Amino acid sequence: KAGVTQTPRYLIKTRGQQVTLSCSPISGHRSVSWYQQTPGQGLQFLFEYFSETQRNKGNFPGRFSGRQFSNSRSEMNVSTLELGDSALYLCASTGQSQETQYFGPGTRLLVL
Amino acid sequence: QKEVEQNSGPLSVPEGAIASLNCTYSDRGSQSFFWYRQYSGKSPELIMSIYSNGDKEDGRFTAQLNKASQYVSLLIRDSQPSDSATYLCAVTNTGGFKTIFGAGTRLFVKA
Repeated sequence: KAGVTQTPRYLIKTRGQQVTLSCSPISGHRSVSWYQQTPGQGLQFLFEYFSETQRNKGNFPGRFSGRQFSNSRSEMNVSTLELGDSALYLCASTGQSQETQYFGPGTRLLVL
Repeated sequence: QKEVEQNSGPLSVPEGAIASLNCTYSDRGSQSFFWYRQYSGKSPELIMSIYSNGDKEDGRFTAQLNKASQYVSLLIRDSQPSDSATYLCAVTNTGGFKTIFGAGTRLFVKA
């Protein structure tokens, strides 16, 4: 089985721009969670989607949004980028057991 | 109070020793508990999951859960230099749809 894939792997943007990141879960997994990881804050929960519905959301501003498609692929969007948005963005997919999360390789975003 | 707390370390142990990693959590209704390992520049990978009080062993790893004390630990026996990584404790909230990670403990195993 193929693992979780994320595209792109690296991105460089400037302040004020917006960015869209993509995540394809493991085949058959319907839950996708997104996290932001920075050296200072660790792994911070952004949101979780299941069957195209956002079931939970972390404490991030409205500039961070996401969606999930009928094939379980998910995207997250960050608008009006700030320097502090520079981070590794990880997505994780979960299978039927709703237990173990399998992480993708991440997208490293640098905001200049 | 942070929802999931870990000692950031670094924790340094000699090769062959037992490494003990600890984690406390605040949501008393939490049901699922995980330990992930993350090497520098890589994404987290699951080591252990535990759901009921007591010990769970898998090879050199033992997870311990005490829900009354809201405490989870991971023991690594016969530590190897390849175990050097950051270990993340993760707890799934009462609803089951949100997993909160601790900041991680950096472990160094000296050869």
